[in-house]
Amino acid sequence: NAGVMQNPRHLVRRRGQEARLRCSPMKGHSHVYWYRQLPEEGLKFMVYLQKENIIDESGMPKERFSAEFPKEGPSILRIQQVVRGDSAAYFCASSFSGYTEAFFGQGTRLTVV
Amino acid sequence: DAKTTQPNSMESNEEEPVHLPCNHSTISGTDYIHWYRQLPSQGPEYVIHGLTSNVNNRMASLAIAEDRKSSTLILHRATLRDAAVYYCILRDSGNTPLVFGKGTRLSVIA
Repeated sequence: NAGVMQNPRHLVRRRGQEARLRCSPMKGHSHVYWYRQLPEEGLKFMVYLQKENIIDESGMPKERFSAEFPKEGPSILRIQQVVRGDSAAYFCASSFSGYTEAFFGQGTRLTVV
Repeated sequence: DAKTTQPNSMESNEEEPVHLPCNHSTISGTDYIHWYRQLPSQGPEYVIHGLTSNVNNRMASLAIAEDRKSSTLILHRATLRDAAVYYCILRDSGNTPLVFGKGTRLSVIA
C-alpha cells in the first residue's frame, strides 16, 4: 500500500504563473488535508476536503488559492498568479476518517522566482 | 480551539529515555491527544494518540494524566534518528483537521 504521493516534489514558477500541486491519498482514504510550511516556520493548516466536498477551508487565503478533491483522481491545490511569498513547502495528508491518524506526503517545495 | 503548551526544545543522550511533556489544561471531553513528529526536510509522521488510558505502540508510549490536563510522550531509547520536532495536538472526535503548534525540537546527542 503506497503512502501519500505528492507531485511534483519540486516546482519552480515565475511570478504571475499558476502552480498546481497534486496529492494522491493512501488507498481507501477519503479525507485529505493541505498544509503550508514557510522556511523555518511551523505547519499551517489550509484546507480539509472529503471527496468532492470542502469540509474546512478556514486556513486558505481568500484569493488566488483553491483546492479540489474530485470523485476520481488526486486532490489538487491550485495557486494562481503566484508571488514570492508563496514560496514554501506544501504538505498533503490523508486519513480514513475525520478523526483517525493522518499520513503525510513528502511535500512539494514551491519556489517562486 | 483547545491549545497545547510544549517546551521549545529538549536535549537527550542517545540510548536514554526521553519524556516530552505537553500541557492542555483546556482539553474537552471529546478531544483526543495526538502526537506527530517532523524529521528534517520530511513530512510529519504520526507517532501515537490516546483519549484517557495510557497507550503503547512500537514507536513510543503515551502517558495521560488522570485529569487529562497534561500528557507525556515517552521514547524509551532515543536514537539519532529520533531528532525531530514533536507536536502534541488536540483533535476533536468529529471531522476536524490537525492544527499544529510550535512543537518541541528534540536534539539527540551521540
